[in-house]
Order: sequence, then structure tokens, then C-alpha cells
Amino acid sequence: AQSVTQPDIHITVSEGASLELRCNYSYGATPYLFWYVQSPGQGLQLLLKYFSGDTLVQGIKGFEAEFKRSQSSFNLRKPSVHWSDAAEYFCAVGGDDGSARQLTFGSGTQLTVLP
Amino acid sequence: DAGITQSPRHKVTETGTPVTLRCHQTENHRYMYWYRQDPGHGLRLIHYSYGVKDTDKGEVSDGYSVSRSKTEDFLLTLESATSSQTSVYFCAIRGSLGELFFGEGSRLTVL
Repeated sequence: AQSVTQPDIHITVSEGASLELRCNYSYGATPYLFWYVQSPGQGLQLLLKYFSGDTLVQGIKGFEAEFKRSQSSFNLRKPSVHWSDAAEYFCAVGGDDGSARQLTFGSGTQLTVLP
Repeated sequence: DAGITQSPRHKVTETGTPVTLRCHQTENHRYMYWYRQDPGHGLRLIHYSYGVKDTDKGEVSDGYSVSRSKTEDFLLTLESATSSQTSVYFCAIRGSLGELFFGEGSRLTVL
């Protein structure tokens, strides 16, 4: 069965500081990996995705993530956080084999940005 | 904008009453999903559909049923609502590369 672990429930950073959100996954084949962001009262917005190829993927809003197969990780990074980045972030794993055409989500990391 | 509309956006109901949530898409996607979101649990899959009249269960399907009689509509029904079904429900469609695009959510409160 596929699963996702986001070890940090809540992270607080100062505006302008760098950010790294952790994501570990379990998946039997080559995974598809995703990061989503959710602002209060909103739906989830796709930040970036990994399917194959270059293990460093760029997303919207200045975010990037690196796929590390040996560590089963897909951590999200941003060099300089803005106050508008305060939100909840979800990592998800899925694939394209017949049994897994749905995504499994982690429990989320709430990001607070201090002025 | 992925062209997904959920209705109603907010609903308060009483224990034991039936509830139907509707998801409507305008882009003819084959796969549609219903997730529920609860604090500390992230999003959990309730049911999904891979075509008209083709549906399957997710990890938290007990107490829920779905129907898809048209490509554009995916209905989630709670036959007899319970307080444990108080949640935010999200509909999603699957893009061409496996990514999901979500609706704005339907907040359901069961008293």
C-alpha cells in the first residue's frame, strides 16, 4: 500500500528565511509525487509534480522539490519565504499502474511566517 | 481554473438525514474523486469514478455511496448522516499526467 509521511505538523519561519518541508513516501513502483498548498477556506492548489527525469523540479511561486529515491523523500524548498506563503502544505504520492490511479496524501504541514 | 463546481458549499443537517453533494466538471475528464479532509488526517479518498457508471471504493467508503450517470457529474450521498461525517468534502478530477485538480470544497456539519 502507498503512504506518505509529513513529519512536521507545524513549522514557523521568519519572512525572508529559507524553508524546507519534509515528505517521505512508500510506494512499490516508480512514484508520481506532488506538492499541494491550501490557504484557509480554499481548495488545494498544485505547486509542483514529479513523474520522471530530472530529480529537481521547479514549481509555481518559487518552490522547488527534490526527489531522492534512496531516501524515499520528496522535500519541498523555497530559498526566501514570503508572508503570503503561510498556508498548509500537502505531499501526495500516486502512480500510473492500474491499482493506484488515486493519490494518497500526507497529513499536512502548517506553515506560519513571522514578520 | 479546472472547471470544477461543488454544491452546496456549506450544509448543516441533522443526524439520520440523507445528504447529497454534487460535483460538476466542464472539461470531460474521465476520472473523478471524492475526498474528505479532517484535521490531522490530510485528505482521505472516499470513492472514485473512472467513467460513467464505473465507480470504486477508497479507504473511507463506509457510510457513503456515489453515482455517475453523466461524465460531468459525480454525486456523493450520505444515506443517513452521522456526526463522524462532519467534514470538508473535496471533489477532484484527474489530469492527463495523474495530477489532481480540486474543487473549492463542501463543508458539511452533522448535528
